[in-house]
Amino acid sequence: NAGVMQNPRHLVRRRGQEARLRCSPMKGHSHVYWYRQLPEEGLKFMVYLQKENIIDESGMPKERFSAEFPKEGPSILRIQQVVRGDSAAYFCASSPPWTPAAAEAFFGQGTRLTVV
Amino acid sequence: GENVEQHPSTLSVQEGDSAVIKCTYSDSASNYFPWYKQELGKGPQLIIDIRSNVGEKKDQRIAVTLNKTAKHFSLHITETQPEDSAVYFCAASTPGNTPLVFGKGTRLSVIA
Repeated sequence: NAGVMQNPRHLVRRRGQEARLRCSPMKGHSHVYWYRQLPEEGLKFMVYLQKENIIDESGMPKERFSAEFPKEGPSILRIQQVVRGDSAAYFCASSPPWTPAAAEAFFGQGTRLTVV
Repeated sequence: GENVEQHPSTLSVQEGDSAVIKCTYSDSASNYFPWYKQELGKGPQLIIDIRSNVGEKKDQRIAVTLNKTAKHFSLHITETQPEDSAVYFCAASTPGNTPLVFGKGTRLSVIA
């Protein structure tokens, strides 16, 4: 059973370009979370999605950032017109379908975005 | 919303000694407390978790304790080994699939 798959592992973009980060959840998981990690810092929640729905985007900047989790295919985190401050590691996690108890979340290896 | 504080930020121990990392949380509705280990250049790996209906959980050299009244939980690693060196994160979440809120991490160094 493959884990959470993220690609690309490393991404370099020039200022003003678009960055697309992909995340395929674990088999059987229907919930996806995106987190951002700056060097020497913790993980900051960005957005929580289920298939075709954004459940919570309270941690995502209002401008330039968007996320989707279509019915078919991976979840995509999209950053338009990237700036140097967007340079960070972006991690995706997935968890099983909703249960009353809190569900375990498993992380991918991350995408390290560098804006030059 | 939930706020998770983690201490210490760095910890150095001699190989074979124990290491303890502590976290506090603010939301009394939180009921799930996982711990993640992150090695350099990798994603966080779930190593142990505890739910609010138990006070302690152990898995080989790793144990986690939870004090709901005081709203704090701790990670205990016994007989530390060099391969335990990593950054450890605590987290908390409320019932359902709500997003985890993380502490800022503890960089553990085990000195051989």
